[in-house]
Amino acid sequence: QKEVEQNSGPLSVPEGAIASLNCTYSDRGSQSFFWYRQYSGKSPELIMFIYSNGDKEDGRFTAQLNKASQYVSLLIRDSQPSDSATYLCAVSGTYKYIFGTGTRLKVLA
Amino acid sequence: SQTIHQWPATLVQPVGSPLSLECTVEGTSNPNLYWYRQAAGRGLQLLFYSVGIGQISSEVPQNLSASRPQDRQFILSSKKLLLSDSGFYLCAWSVRSHRDSISSYNEQFFGPGTRLTVL
Repeated sequence: QKEVEQNSGPLSVPEGAIASLNCTYSDRGSQSFFWYRQYSGKSPELIMFIYSNGDKEDGRFTAQLNKASQYVSLLIRDSQPSDSATYLCAVSGTYKYIFGTGTRLKVLA
Repeated sequence: SQTIHQWPATLVQPVGSPLSLECTVEGTSNPNLYWYRQAAGRGLQLLFYSVGIGQISSEVPQNLSASRPQDRQFILSSKKLLLSDSGFYLCAWSVRSHRDSISSYNEQFFGPGTRLTVL
């Protein structure tokens, strides 16, 4: 069974701090990695994707991928209360996307 | 730009009743289409995916079915709903890569979802 694991949280960080969200996956054949943000009662919104080992930055967000360790992370710099949401990690292989259960992030004002 | 629509937004149905949820995508051609279900406090469960008209792959055996009558239309159906069918149903699309018919490289975008309550 191919799996994507995330700590369910909640992860609480003060406003302005760096939030670090982590994800591990079991399928070494996975090719693409995605981070989605989901507010309560809403559908997931894509915020980052990464294909290659290393870091990818987009504004306050940085995705990090280590295929050897089967590990992908998302850093959110200067966290804001509006960043409070559930963050879903997704991994794609040959045919489909597998999602983790998400980490709930709370940014405290 | 691309837009994905789902309706209805919310639905309350009795056990044993039929179901039909519709999803349409605008602004793109030949998308891969997906149906997911998210139970309360749970992750996303892939139900069906489709790489073309009439082509449906089922991930989980259950009382649900899917159809793709047109390139940008994806329908989720049931003849008789169960209590366990309650959840948040999400339709999603991704670009089909020119390299293969089922792209694993492209981002997936979600519709607004349908919240189904079966009583």
